Amino acid sequence: GQQLNQSPQSMFIQEGEDVSMNCTSSSIFNTWLWYKQEPGEGPVLLIALYKAGELTSNGRLTAQFGITRKDSFLNISASIPSDVGIYFCAGQLEGGSEKLVFGKGTKLTVNP
Amino acid sequence: DTAVSQTPKYLVTQMGNDKSIKCEQNLGHDTMYWYKQDSKKFLKIMFSYNNKELIINETVPNRFSPKSPDKAHLNLHINSLELGDSAVYFCASSLWNSGITDTQYFGPGTRLTVL
Repeated sequence: GQQLNQSPQSMFIQEGEDVSMNCTSSSIFNTWLWYKQEPGEGPVLLIALYKAGELTSNGRLTAQFGITRKDSFLNISASIPSDVGIYFCAGQLEGGSEKLVFGKGTKLTVNP
Repeated sequence: DTAVSQTPKYLVTQMGNDKSIKCEQNLGHDTMYWYKQDSKKFLKIMFSYNNKELIINETVPNRFSPKSPDKAHLNLHINSLELGDSAVYFCASSLWNSGITDTQYFGPGTRLTVL
């Protein structure tokens, strides 16, 4: 359906480790977005993907729009304590619906 | 300067009251949204306006009434507040591009607590 399956739900890692999270769906998406939300704040856009196969980096973050258009991943390299937060994937479904569908988030904890 | 701003940031009120949350964006966007984030952090779209016209209206109780006086403002009025309305409400905005949503920018949220 229109649900996005985001995994893992939470991650506890040591500073310096790399992180990988992903979102999958049975539906096809036109756009994939990755957001980070810190406590008490609104989601902040990290990376936007608009084409199947697109691989985009933003500093230590890299995200890809899956070739099948049904999935996307986000990698964070060499994590630091300020990477803590909840990471959300969001996508716009093919078919012209204007709304974004959000994943349930991946809560990242980085131990110094 | 704040791109998407919301007021108030915190709202504590009694069940049965009526309250409003305001949102303003200075990004020049023409589309604005209201989301509800529950205690499990799940973000769900409620409404969207494009150039003051309602374009998305999810299954939301009619106690919730959005109003867009101009394309830079989208307010949310809630009548007869219930305990289950307690959540964080986020406003967002984006550019409209022939039905394809562009990147949405979020406000800081309004934490509503209904007692």
